[in-house]
Amino acid sequence: QSALTQEASVSGTVGQKVTLSCTGNGNNIGSYAVGWHQQISHGAPKTVMFGNSLPSGIPDRFSGSKSGTTASLTISGLQPEDEADYYCSTWDYSLAAWVFGGGTKLTVL
Amino acid sequence: QVQLQESGPGLVKPSQTLSLTCTVSGGSIGSNSYYWSWIRQPAGKGLEWIGRIYTSGSTNYNASLKSRVTISVDLSKNQISLKLSSVTAADTAVYYCARAYYYDSSGYVFDFWGQGTLVTVPS
Repeated sequence: QSALTQEASVSGTVGQKVTLSCTGNGNNIGSYAVGWHQQISHGAPKTVMFGNSLPSGIPDRFSGSKSGTTASLTISGLQPEDEADYYCSTWDYSLAAWVFGGGTKLTVL
Repeated sequence: QVQLQESGPGLVKPSQTLSLTCTVSGGSIGSNSYYWSWIRQPAGKGLEWIGRIYTSGSTNYNASLKSRVTISVDLSKNQISLKLSSVTAADTAVYYCARAYYYDSSGYVFDFWGQGTLVTVPS
């Protein structure tokens, strides 16, 4: 069981806005920055958001936010190439460990 | 652009020690304050953090693996190493190394990942 909770699956059509969520507690998301990682077809993860900042080369249709113990990744103007598994991650000071969500499978219809 | 590349045996016998190396290019691993982590992913499953090492050499490990894991850094070779002892089939996974940098006062975030290397432990 993952320390962070994500939706198992989310779907959307091309051009639609979708939001993925990641819920933790005060020991992790409530205290630390959250990263979002995209994994296409079981390839290597790629970071698409850290905190509310975009890594270089990531399109600005990706955005991130956090409220209390829930972080969100929003994709505005969904594209076919956005179909992937998305994982959230952050530090947990009570576990003294990095923790990941179970992952959300995003399907572009 | 920083690049990370994992390497090591793709097949390890049960009860033996898994040894992997992550070679970093495009920057010195000792030049700034980074955490270097090992993460693994069994087929069809999610990501599991194994442990991390700071530039200074201090380490943190996943409690479930702590008794079997050692992570070390070789600044002269710009490499981070992972050793996992007494392996079983449950340790079969793709192993990734990743860098975390200081984002702000809210801590560190992963920015760069390696391509991963598959390690199989036959049952």
